[in-house]
Amino acid sequence: EAGVAQSPRYKIIEKRQSVAFWCNPISGHATLYWYQQILGQGPKLLIQFQNNGVVDDSQLPKDRFSAERLKGVDSTLKIQPAKLEDSAVYLCASSWSGSYNEQFFGPGTRLTVL
Amino acid sequence: DQQVKQNSPSLSVQEGRISILNCDYTNSMFDYFLWYKKYPAEGPTFLISISSIKDKNEDGRFTVFLNKSAKHLSLHIVPSQPGDSAVYFCAASAGAQKLVFGQGTRLTINP
Repeated sequence: EAGVAQSPRYKIIEKRQSVAFWCNPISGHATLYWYQQILGQGPKLLIQFQNNGVVDDSQLPKDRFSAERLKGVDSTLKIQPAKLEDSAVYLCASSWSGSYNEQFFGPGTRLTVL
Repeated sequence: DQQVKQNSPSLSVQEGRISILNCDYTNSMFDYFLWYKKYPAEGPTFLISISSIKDKNEDGRFTVFLNKSAKHLSLHIVPSQPGDSAVYFCAASAGAQKLVFGQGTRLTINP
């Protein structure tokens, strides 16, 4: 079974630029999560989708971050414009039913904002 | 507001000995706790979990202990192996709410 795929793996941009990350979850997984992990901290949930609907986006900075999951499969997370404090690893995870112990993580995208 | 805390950023243990990783939480509404393991350049992988109705859960070399009165949980790895070297995150949830992660502890197993 293929795991959660993410691209790109690394991205370096300057502040005020835009960036987008892509995630392909495990086939058949209805729930998709985007996390932000800042160096030295644990992952923080940004947004959770159930199929193509948003379940929780309470910690998503909506003035600059947006995410979509068209057709309930792939998802993209966008930052526009980026700030220095957005430097982090962005992790995508998926699960069948939203059970947390069944959550499978991708390798993450490491974003550096200069 | 750090609801889940792992106060030891790093831990070094001799191969074959016991590794004990600790985690404290402040939210009394948390009722489900998990441990994740993370290797460099990979995403976290689920290791073991425990419900608040239990005080111990065991899976092979891994045991998680929960002390609700102290709001403390610990992960014991016995015996420790070189492949256990990784960053370990504890996480907690209240009901079906989102997971809240600790900062992580880097475990190094020395031969």
